[in-house]
Amino acid sequence: QKEVEQDPGPLSVPEGAIVSLNCTYSNSAFQYFMWYRQYSRKGPELLMYTYSSGNKEDGRFTAQVDKSSKYISLFIRDSQPSDSATYLCAMSARLGQNFVFGPGTRLSVLP
Amino acid sequence: DTGVSQDPRHKITKRGQNVTFRCDPISEHNRLYWYRQTLGQGPEFLTYFQNEAQLEKSRLLSDRFSAERPKGSFSTLEIQRTEQGDSAMYLCASSSRLAGGLRTDTQYFGPGTRLTVL
Repeated sequence: QKEVEQDPGPLSVPEGAIVSLNCTYSNSAFQYFMWYRQYSRKGPELLMYTYSSGNKEDGRFTAQVDKSSKYISLFIRDSQPSDSATYLCAMSARLGQNFVFGPGTRLSVLP
Repeated sequence: DTGVSQDPRHKITKRGQNVTFRCDPISEHNRLYWYRQTLGQGPEFLTYFQNEAQLEKSRLLSDRFSAERPKGSFSTLEIQRTEQGDSAMYLCASSSRLAGGLRTDTQYFGPGTRLTVL
């Protein structure tokens, strides 16, 4: 079993839909959770950062962490075609430690 | 542009050749990370530096790989005697400890160097 699991998709939604992206993990020591967006042949771009459990909202994006279930989510409201990309979750146990990434979910938002 | 930069962006080489990649982090960042990413997978950690000290190396980093950060600024990643299995995107990221406030050490990635070994 991989340390971080993520449905690879592809996930196709119509423009304006609410998108839910999820990761599960096995290491209970993880405390820092990140979501990155990666366009084809580009480096990952940081979207959201959360510490421990709870919710965080930034514009159209909401990140949720449920440490008891070892489950994190990213919600995208009013999705746009420009949101079409691969979404990577990443996590670490300590600040400054390397991240462990999920394999990414490929999202297509259709106009 | 004050983001992380990497050079070259693309490299095609023949099996058995040596290659070297460069990463310039965000200027005030003291931590620098190297990752490798293959198609359909998330980035996999290779190694990281705090200033000029290499603090951690992954088991993925075989003895054909070496990384340096001689003055605590830019870093190089060298692969000797390249193999076809080395073909991947090599990503560099940097982070910093904030002075006061919330310390996040959030990692910011460069555009990557895509290596193709023929």
